[in-house]
Amino acid sequence: VRLVESGGGLVQPGGSLRLSCTASGFTFSTYWMSWVRQAPGKGLEWVANIREDGSERFYVGSVRGRFTISRDNAYNSLYLQMNSLRAEDTAVYFCATNWNYRFDFWGQGTLVTVSS
Amino acid sequence: QSALTQPASVSGSPGQSITISCTGTSSDVGNYNYVSWYQQHPGKGPKLMIYDVTNRPSGVSSRFSGSKSGNTASLTISGLQAEDEADYYCSSFTGTSAPWVFGGGTKLTVL
Repeated sequence: VRLVESGGGLVQPGGSLRLSCTASGFTFSTYWMSWVRQAPGKGLEWVANIREDGSERFYVGSVRGRFTISRDNAYNSLYLQMNSLRAEDTAVYFCATNWNYRFDFWGQGTLVTVSS
Repeated sequence: QSALTQPASVSGSPGQSITISCTGTSSDVGNYNYVSWYQQHPGKGPKLMIYDVTNRPSGVSSRFSGSKSGNTASLTISGLQAEDEADYYCSSFTGTSAPWVFGGGTKLTVL
């Protein structure tokens, strides 16, 4: 199993960024998937998840209305569109498989820095 | 949904046992047997160590075990080894529109 995140970088407050996660080594289309973030020196925070077919999506309150999780099973890819970014969104963002009430596999993460 | 409460740090000598607690509420830890534990080494992604309170994934050492009593779950590591030094996080299902919550993390130091 391999999960590789990309798309992180430096963005100004109020800006947008789109993260991607490319999966391999398992049947991507049969797994719920999640984004989890970790602010510098802080703990893990679940951000969003999406059902196998994309028909259900859930978000933590602090990002609801600003972030959109999506997936393309044809390309084994998971996405996180982040709009109206704030300083407090600065974190390493991990994608993870979210199956049967646990997070089985994780990527190495991509760093998002929101700063002027 | 507030984060689950973990001690900031624990320590132990090689060969000893340590226990890390994870306290939630009757809405998360106390209401579901869906507590999991993750190990994270610096600069790495987390690794699943325990799921459904007590179960170990294939490949995880039997030195790692989990339990739960009421609103508090626990991770016990026996026969501490230097490679166990890492941050440990608990997580619980909440059944709400934000269905997952993590603990604040515990730094384990092997003396």
